Amino acid sequence: DTAVSQTPKYLVTQMGNDKSIKCEQNLGHDTMYWYKQDSKKFLKIMFSYNNKELIINETVPNRFSPKSPDKAHLNLHINSLELGDSAVYFCASSRTPTLLYFGPGTRLTVT
Amino acid sequence: ELKVEQNPLFLSMQEGKNYTIYCNYSTTSDRLYWYRQDPGKSLESLFVLLSNGAVKQEGRLMASLDTKARLSTLHITAAVHDLSATYFCAVENTDKLIFGTGTRLQVFP
Repeated sequence: DTAVSQTPKYLVTQMGNDKSIKCEQNLGHDTMYWYKQDSKKFLKIMFSYNNKELIINETVPNRFSPKSPDKAHLNLHINSLELGDSAVYFCASSRTPTLLYFGPGTRLTVT
Repeated sequence: ELKVEQNPLFLSMQEGKNYTIYCNYSTTSDRLYWYRQDPGKSLESLFVLLSNGAVKQEGRLMASLDTKARLSTLHITAAVHDLSATYFCAVENTDKLIFGTGTRLQVFP
């Protein structure tokens, strides 16, 4: 059983397109996150949801819009993709304290 | 703003040797985590350190936390090739984890 799953695993698209990444967790956790890992492996938090409510929104362009239909799902929609959006996007979930369980990642390549 | 720095950023070490990775952070926190990431893979939790003086050990890895010095260490004993990976420390700050820069460890025969 996969604890935190993401789809798709790879995403190759052109500049200007709109794309979505989906995340689901079956751990019963209340909090879910999106992290971005750039080409230098640096990990930065983007968003956090607790029980479908947005609680953390870091300085992220408003082209990025998270949506949580229920506490087991957190999706990420990206409008008007830019070259600089190329990265690996990790979904994670946690129960307090903040021990994160990460999904497998989605490698986004914008050409 | 909390900053988390690791050093070294890259570590190449021979099998059988010992070494320590350092994680410094800039503001007070009582919770620190260590994660491992294999190339092209996700992050896996290694240690959770929840108080000053906490020490955890698993196999050849031992992690410790000194909250007064704002320092955590990850000590590697008698390294083996299977330990080759990138290691991240992460500090809890207002309900989120701030990750360090990562230390890429390469163990060679």
